[in-house]
Amino acid sequence: GQNIDQPTEMTATEGAIVQINCTYQTSGFNGLFWYQQHAGEAPTFLSYNVLDGLEEKGRFSSFLSRSKGYSYLLLKELQMKDSASYLCAVRDNTNAGKSTFGDGTTLTVKP
Amino acid sequence: KAGVTQTPRYLIKTRGQQVTLSCSPISGHRSVSWYQQTPGQGLQFLFEYFSETQRNKGNFPGRFSGRQFSNSRSEMNVSTLELGDSALYLCASSLEGSSAEAFFGQGTRLTVV
Repeated sequence: GQNIDQPTEMTATEGAIVQINCTYQTSGFNGLFWYQQHAGEAPTFLSYNVLDGLEEKGRFSSFLSRSKGYSYLLLKELQMKDSASYLCAVRDNTNAGKSTFGDGTTLTVKP
Repeated sequence: KAGVTQTPRYLIKTRGQQVTLSCSPISGHRSVSWYQQTPGQGLQFLFEYFSETQRNKGNFPGRFSGRQFSNSRSEMNVSTLELGDSALYLCASSLEGSSAEAFFGQGTRLTVV
């Protein structure tokens, strides 16, 4: 089975940098996704990591360490519109197509 | 290219009734997954269909069922509704492959009274 942990809430200031951590335990790791979900809307894809290291995509970066069962999402130059829930999801290789989601981290960006 | 379409968007049912929700995936996507989202439980995996076959199933009671048609459209059914079934039901479609991200529909907000 899988177990995914993320902080429930975080607050940061506009223009700052914030790091959202995700730890996981899985019987067979096959990729980690980050999604953003604004209130009342569907989750949207942000990033995918399957190998160790940092993936950068504009203001957002995602890091993975498979040996530590750990990932983080880094958001730079925070904007008010970044206030949302950030979901970490792990896909396991024993159940093709199944992704298990964490409960999400609600980020509030303040002026 | 059209996104994932879920119908209806909102639904109110009474306890004991049954409900059917529909999901039309992005054209060319053969994998369709269903999730239940509640404030206290986050996104909980219900099941995943691929080429009309249920490939994965989450830990939900047998009252929750689904199917997929040859055009990849999927339906999920909940029988004997309970108050605790009130939630946002999200459908996601993806291409085959471990790196394929999921594209979510807007969801169906089900309220059981």
